[in-house]
Amino acid sequence: ILNVEQSPQSLHVQEGDSTNFTCSFPSSNFYALHWYRWETAKSPEALFVMTLNGDEKKKGRISATLNTKEGYSYLYIKGSQPEDSATYLCAPLGSGGSNYKLTFGKGTLLTVNP
Amino acid sequence: EAEVAQSPRYKITEKSQAVAFWCDPISGHATLYWYRQILGQGPELLVQFQDESVVDDSQLPKDRFSAERLKGVDSTLKIQPAELGDSAMYLCASSFVPAGETQYFGPGTRLLVL
Repeated sequence: ILNVEQSPQSLHVQEGDSTNFTCSFPSSNFYALHWYRWETAKSPEALFVMTLNGDEKKKGRISATLNTKEGYSYLYIKGSQPEDSATYLCAPLGSGGSNYKLTFGKGTLLTVNP
Repeated sequence: EAEVAQSPRYKITEKSQAVAFWCDPISGHATLYWYRQILGQGPELLVQFQDESVVDDSQLPKDRFSAERLKGVDSTLKIQPAELGDSAMYLCASSFVPAGETQYFGPGTRLLVL
């Protein structure tokens, strides 16, 4: 089982602020990194799947980078909007016995105040 | 847009009772996952199916939990008897292929055991 750390645990920002969170994971036994956004009362929604060191992905105002050598990924949100309020989960894919599976962090809870 | 369906959305039961959750994955997705998310933690994989076969159930408490996917389509997760510590969100997800592929989540079943 991988040790996945996400920071901060929660944060509050004002509308229009840019923000970023961190996901740390063991650099060994790494195959891919998933980011999900989970709004209250909705289904977790996939944001990115990243595999290569130095990968950068972008979806609208949200972007992510990956450093597999040091075992971290950053998620950035530019110009936060109230609809960005959600829990952001990261999950590295690693091998566990005969299966490859995701190990989720505890998430970062983002609240964007209008 | 195709979605993963889960029912019920909420379930309140007393300890020692039996409960069952149902999941219908996106059509054509061969891989189905059941996760449990305890408050304050990230989702944890309980069981993974490839078609009708169990690929990974290493974290499933087999003395009280069972899961089946008889025809390789929808799936049922059962708890008998339920314990107070089983109170959690139970998430179902599916993917076209296992490992690394984006997983699509349902809205979850919130279980409260009294």
